[in-house]
Amino acid sequence: DAGITQSPRHKVTETGTPVTLRCHQTENHRYMYWYRQDPGHGLRLIHYSYGVKDTDKGEVSDGYSVSRSKTEDFLLTLESATSSQTSVYFCAISDPGLSEQFFGPGTRLTVL
Amino acid sequence: GQSLEQPSEVTAVEGAIVQINCTYQTSGFYGLSWYQQHDGGAPTFLSYNALDGLEETGRFSSFLSRSDSYGYLLLQELQMKDSASYFCAVRDPQAAGNKLTFGGGTRVLVKP
Repeated sequence: DAGITQSPRHKVTETGTPVTLRCHQTENHRYMYWYRQDPGHGLRLIHYSYGVKDTDKGEVSDGYSVSRSKTEDFLLTLESATSSQTSVYFCAISDPGLSEQFFGPGTRLTVL
Repeated sequence: GQSLEQPSEVTAVEGAIVQINCTYQTSGFYGLSWYQQHDGGAPTFLSYNALDGLEETGRFSSFLSRSDSYGYLLLQELQMKDSASYFCAVRDPQAAGNKLTFGGGTRVLVKP
């Protein structure tokens, strides 16, 4: 398995609080992604990174920001969490020349 | 933009064959991928088709017709462990970083 970890694995928070999710990889892959998964919607891309300090928005980026200051870490921040951001969040990695993405174990976030 | 359509659910018995269809509309095309996800788990890569035709990997095969914007995943000799969700995905050729758009997923239920 690709070396990808996500922390925390579970989190319950209250509306209006800031939340940061961390994705860490040991594969030295250049590309990293954050997805959310909700029933009936499959996997939707929030933000992705194609290099250190190079990021771009996905299809559901409103309310989220990301940072990547080094190859191995990609942070997803919810500045002020809302109940609509209750979801399972997956991080993934890939590299130039690869046709696949490798996914982390996921973080279940509940916003009350 | 990219959009993909696949059936929401398929039910079959052990030993049977299941075909999961995926139709896509894209502004460009690099290839069609398939991922498997068991309940509570992370998506894992199954196959990738860049060219027309059938790719076989054990009991699973994937087919692509670029002229029809259509592909399918064929699951043969179904086993209980094949009960999972299956997602097709296309890569956005106009974006950096192997960016993928996923279909909504097909839930496959295998019955004894």
